[in-house]
Amino acid sequence: EAQVTQNPRYLITVTGKKLTVTCSQNMNHEYMSWYRQDPGLGLRQIYYSMNVEVTDKGDVPEGYKVSRKEKRNFPLILESPSPNQTSLYFCASSGKGLAGVSEQYFGPGTRLTVT
Amino acid sequence: RKEVEQDPGPFNVPEGATVAFNCTYSNSASQSFFWYRQDCRKEPKLLMSVYSSGNEDGRFTAQLNRASQYISLLIRDSKLSDSATYLCVVNTGGFKTIFGAGTRLFVKA
Repeated sequence: EAQVTQNPRYLITVTGKKLTVTCSQNMNHEYMSWYRQDPGLGLRQIYYSMNVEVTDKGDVPEGYKVSRKEKRNFPLILESPSPNQTSLYFCASSGKGLAGVSEQYFGPGTRLTVT
Repeated sequence: RKEVEQDPGPFNVPEGATVAFNCTYSNSASQSFFWYRQDCRKEPKLLMSVYSSGNEDGRFTAQLNRASQYISLLIRDSKLSDSATYLCVVNTGGFKTIFGAGTRLFVKA
């Protein structure tokens, strides 16, 4: 089954404790992206990757790191989480369209709470 | 000004009604456009891509107006199952993606 998986689905942590949210896709997609979703703000892009070892900042990259060492995986790293990073996080993948990104497939989301 | 703007709603309509959503974008160089649907606390899923010529998929019709920089979504014969949040999505060239904040639709019996 074609899918994007994220782990963990739920996480409660404390300020400053490093964490990693994993994302994996089995569709051989070049493009992967991380978003956060907050009430009233919609989804905002954190980082995206066009292919292995190629990443770029989205609109809200501060406080986050990513890496793309393999095509299927795109982990999101919070080196020192803060309460303002409490949010719902989505990973997505996509093949290339005629003009950039085509349909994006989303993982089920990770609900992160930082106290 | 937000790069992609949508009326947040909510739109409350009876079953069988026709409802239309608009979305405006600010970057005239934007290249591809989509409507996604998101159910409460779930992941977004593609509803339809939006082409310059307009496109239709059953009860759903999407239009793009590049001159005025807006896209629209028309839902005919609304069903209870259409209740969701509808997200306007714009790719501003390459792989950068901007989502609108979403329009909530409630269809009631």
